Amino acid sequence: QKEVEQNSGPLSVPEGAIASLNCTYSDRGSQSFFWYRQYSGKSPELIMSIYSNGDKEDGRFTAQLNKASQYVSLLIRDSQPSDSATYLCAVGSGGYQKVTFGTGTKLQVIP
Amino acid sequence: GAVVSQHPSWVICKSGTSVKIECRSLDFQATTMFWYRQFPKQSLMLMATSNEGSKATYEQGVEKDKFLINHASLTLSTLTVTSAHPEDSSFYICSVRDSTDTQYFGPGTRLTVL
Repeated sequence: QKEVEQNSGPLSVPEGAIASLNCTYSDRGSQSFFWYRQYSGKSPELIMSIYSNGDKEDGRFTAQLNKASQYVSLLIRDSQPSDSATYLCAVGSGGYQKVTFGTGTKLQVIP
Repeated sequence: GAVVSQHPSWVICKSGTSVKIECRSLDFQATTMFWYRQFPKQSLMLMATSNEGSKATYEQGVEKDKFLINHASLTLSTLTVTSAHPEDSSFYICSVRDSTDTQYFGPGTRLTVL
């Protein structure tokens, strides 16, 4: 069974700091990796996707992928209180197979 | 990314009645849509994969006769909760997937069964 593991948190960081969210996955054949943000009472929204090893930056967000270690992370620079949400890691194996979601990490940015 | 709508955004019904939730892909032809359920403070749970023109694939433990899914076109999938009970009260979310495996979620439907 394919698994995606995340620390449930909460992860508390002060405003302006870097928040680091981590995710590990079990399927070595995984090809696509996603980070979603979910505010309380709302549906998930896509933040970033990453498909190859290394870093991918988009504004204050950086996704990092290490397929050898089966590890994907999301860094949020200059964290803002509005970043307080649950962050979901999702992993896909391609070929139109199901994408597996982690249980999410709750992030709290303290003003 | 794809834009997905759901209707209604919330619904309250009496126990024993059936409720239909619509999921529309507004700008993307979705051969596959997904239905999730999320209880308060819990993670997303995939209920079923909806395939256009064919039967849905249900996850283990999800009753196909209770949660009827119809995917009659490339832009519309419906989930009908039959004979709803209070324990079916939850947040139901659909999503579509594009060719890069990326899923785009609808805004969700909050169901409350009295």
